Amino acid sequence: DVKVTQSSRYLVKRTGEKVFLECVQDMDHENMFWYRQDPGLGLRLIYFSYDVKMKEKGDIPEGYSVSREKKERFSLILESASTNQTSMYLCASTKSGSGYGSYEQYFGPGTRLTVT
Amino acid sequence: DQQVKQNSPSLSVQEGRISILNCDYTNSMFDYFLWYKKYPAEGPTFLISISSIKDKNEDGRFTVFLNKSAKHLSLHIVPSQPGDSAVYFCAANNAGNMLTFGGGTRLMVKP
Repeated sequence: DVKVTQSSRYLVKRTGEKVFLECVQDMDHENMFWYRQDPGLGLRLIYFSYDVKMKEKGDIPEGYSVSREKKERFSLILESASTNQTSMYLCASTKSGSGYGSYEQYFGPGTRLTVT
Repeated sequence: DQQVKQNSPSLSVQEGRISILNCDYTNSMFDYFLWYKKYPAEGPTFLISISSIKDKNEDGRFTVFLNKSAKHLSLHIVPSQPGDSAVYFCAANNAGNMLTFGGGTRLMVKP
């Protein structure tokens, strides 16, 4: 059974704190993604990685950075948390390839981050 | 500018009836479309998909229709059940393994 896990389900941080969100997948997937979900805006891509130590900016990378030191682990870092980063954060993974089966992304349960 | 839009933020349907969720897109290069279902406090789970070479794909109670000329797809759930109450996202792929998501529609199925 495929599995994507995220380090915390709920997190409360103060403005200016450095925040680490971790994601681990056990499917040996090459590609990993970080999204944030906000009401009415759907899922917006923050960063993605297609290989160890490789990263690409998504649609809303400002205020975030990522790290991928191992294939199964992808971390999202908020360097200095702000209240507008209060959101649901979702991690996903998928295998590489050009076939339709490689388009389906598998998601973790999400981390509800509140910045006060 | 949103390339994938779900214009109805919410939909309420009686149990046993049909639920129809709609999605419009603007990028004609999208070649594969997916629907995801999301319960509160859980991650989205894949529901059904369709490639651009087809106009219909069916899986049990769920059917997705694609109208390429109108750049429109819809998800039909028949019959609707209370357990179908969730937020539904449509998503589209046009390059690599990237997906573009719509804003979501909250479906409420009343017993």
